[in-house]
Amino acid sequence: NSKVIQTPRYLVKGQGQKAKMRCIPEKGHPVVFWYQQNKNNEFKFLINFQNQEVLQQIDMTEKRFSAECPSNSPCSLEIQSSEAGDSALYLCASSWDINTEVFFGKGTRLTVV
Amino acid sequence: GQGVEQPDNLMSVEGTFARVNCTYSTSGFNGLSWYQQREGHAPVFLSYVVLDGLKDSGHFSTFLSRSNGYSYLLLTELQIKDSASYLCAVKLPNYNVLYFGSGTKLTVEP
Repeated sequence: NSKVIQTPRYLVKGQGQKAKMRCIPEKGHPVVFWYQQNKNNEFKFLINFQNQEVLQQIDMTEKRFSAECPSNSPCSLEIQSSEAGDSALYLCASSWDINTEVFFGKGTRLTVV
Repeated sequence: GQGVEQPDNLMSVEGTFARVNCTYSTSGFNGLSWYQQREGHAPVFLSYVVLDGLKDSGHFSTFLSRSNGYSYLLLTELQIKDSASYLCAVKLPNYNVLYFGSGTKLTVEP
């Protein structure tokens, strides 16, 4: 069973509000990913980290989305100004390194009303 | 873009088997993973393959043909509780990013 912990499980925000979700990767895993899964079950990669350093991120993440993985604190993903289209399941995942299996948390389901 | 394709739905009968197909067309390949996902829950890791051939893991087996851009997940001795979506994800060489198919919803009937 995965030991990636995500909070909160559910998040409801109004349009224009900030939405912040957190992730504690599996112990010892230095590589962390954020994915967005929409209502059509389509996955979109957002950003990944190795320790505190960003490895790769998509354009969307560079604008309204911000993420960090500080040392000794949970990783976080924040949407600065939520839009209806951001409603989705946000999945955090971790792995030992960039070449090993990836394990997912239970996700944060964001609803923007 | 990266193309990972799976059929939307698959039905089978308890006690028999089901084969979930996945085809991919990506710029590079560094392995393929299979995940099980139940409605409203996160994907659960099942198997990872990077070499051609069949990998037998008991209830789940996986096959890969890199030259054909094809993999399948084989579930044997099906149980009702195997009803779920099964996701295929191709790993590209760039930083371990996974490119997912949209999943195959398997329904196991009595």
